[in-house]
This record gives sequence, C-alpha cells and structure tokens, in this order.
Amino acid sequence: ETGVTQTPRHLVMGMTNKKSLKCEQHLGHNAMYWYKQSAKKPLELMFVYSLEERVENNSVPSRFSPECPNSSHLFLHLHTLQPEDSALYLCASSQEGGEAFFGQGTRLTVV
Amino acid sequence: QKEVEQNSGPLSVPEGAIASLNCTYSDRGSQSFFWYRQYSGKSPELIMFIYSNGDKEDGRFTAQLNKASQYVSLLIRDSQPSDSATYLCAVNRWYTGNQFYFGTGTSLTVIP
Repeated sequence: ETGVTQTPRHLVMGMTNKKSLKCEQHLGHNAMYWYKQSAKKPLELMFVYSLEERVENNSVPSRFSPECPNSSHLFLHLHTLQPEDSALYLCASSQEGGEAFFGQGTRLTVV
Repeated sequence: QKEVEQNSGPLSVPEGAIASLNCTYSDRGSQSFFWYRQYSGKSPELIMFIYSNGDKEDGRFTAQLNKASQYVSLLIRDSQPSDSATYLCAVNRWYTGNQFYFGTGTSLTVIP
C-alpha cells in the first residue's frame, strides 16, 4: 500500500460517543498533519507533528485529542463532539520542505 | 491578516483559454509554495510546487513566484472542462516545524 491511508472513510457518531480516526503514511515522511474542512470553508490546520513531536495546536478544542505513536501513524481521538464538528477530516504527511500528501479523508457526521 | 489569501471566485473561462489564479502570503519567511487541485468531495492533490523566484512550467501549468511582492500565481493554458475544480494555494515554513497554510481556494469552471 502506498501514500497516505485514512480510516474510516465515513463515520457517524453521537455526541456522547468516543471514536478515533486513523492515518498511516507509507512515504517515509517526518511530519504529519490533521486538517478540518467544513462545507464551503477553507482547510483549517488542527495539529502538526514533526519528528513525532507536536509542534502546532491551532486552538483546537480539547474534545479532539491527537496521538502520534511513531512517524508513520497518526490518530485523532474524538469524544463528546458537537454537531458543528461534522466535517471532512484530512490527514497529510510531508518531508521537511516538501509538499504535503493527503489521505482520502474521513467524512464525519455528529448526530 | 490571513497567512494566505486567494480570490474565492468563481472564475469561469472558456475551453482552450488561459486561466489565471492568484495568491498572496503574509509571512516573508515562507519558503515553499504549492498549488493543489481539489475536486468536490475529494482530497487535495498536488499540481505544482515552486521554491525560487521566477516561473516554473509543467505541461499546461505554469507557477510564478515573486517573493518581493509575496505573490504566487498559477496559469493553466488550454483549459479543459476536467480542470474545473477548486485550486488551493499553500505555503510552508518548514523551519518553524513544517507548518503548511492553505488559502481558501479559487473555484474554477471551464465552460465547454
């Protein structure tokens, strides 16, 4: 498998649920990202991990919790989300200075 | 001030024409510049990247960078209906920890 893989592709969860999004990159990159894309809005940078250390937390609510156990894997743990958190969540990876490669995204719906 | 600014459009051009997309960025420390294309419901895919002042050509696409004016553009020659998409400009300041910033995107429609 090549590139950046995200699972699941679609997720529907209730406001009291706990779920996790998974991202795996097979490109040997040293940085990984979570972005949120809401309808008709730009990509919002949520978290950046560089060399497995978090270097950016873009004022994201604590109901979103990232985890980067190694340079190939990135998780986004979700709990007590709100309906306005429904969006496309995109994972990306890059090598220092190079372009970001995106996964296919997880379409999240909070009900 | 936004990190990256683009005209949201929509921009419409006839098939075969040149489409011109523009982007400005605020941080002079930005080092790498990218253009992505995003079809509706899909993830962004890289079209071009440019690091140095001047022009860079790849097939029907030309990226132009002017660091003094903090300006990046993308020209699409011989536009095709399949080019209809949202085009995202992105800048990277990897020296501060690999931070990519994206513009809001410009919606392009190529009319057959």
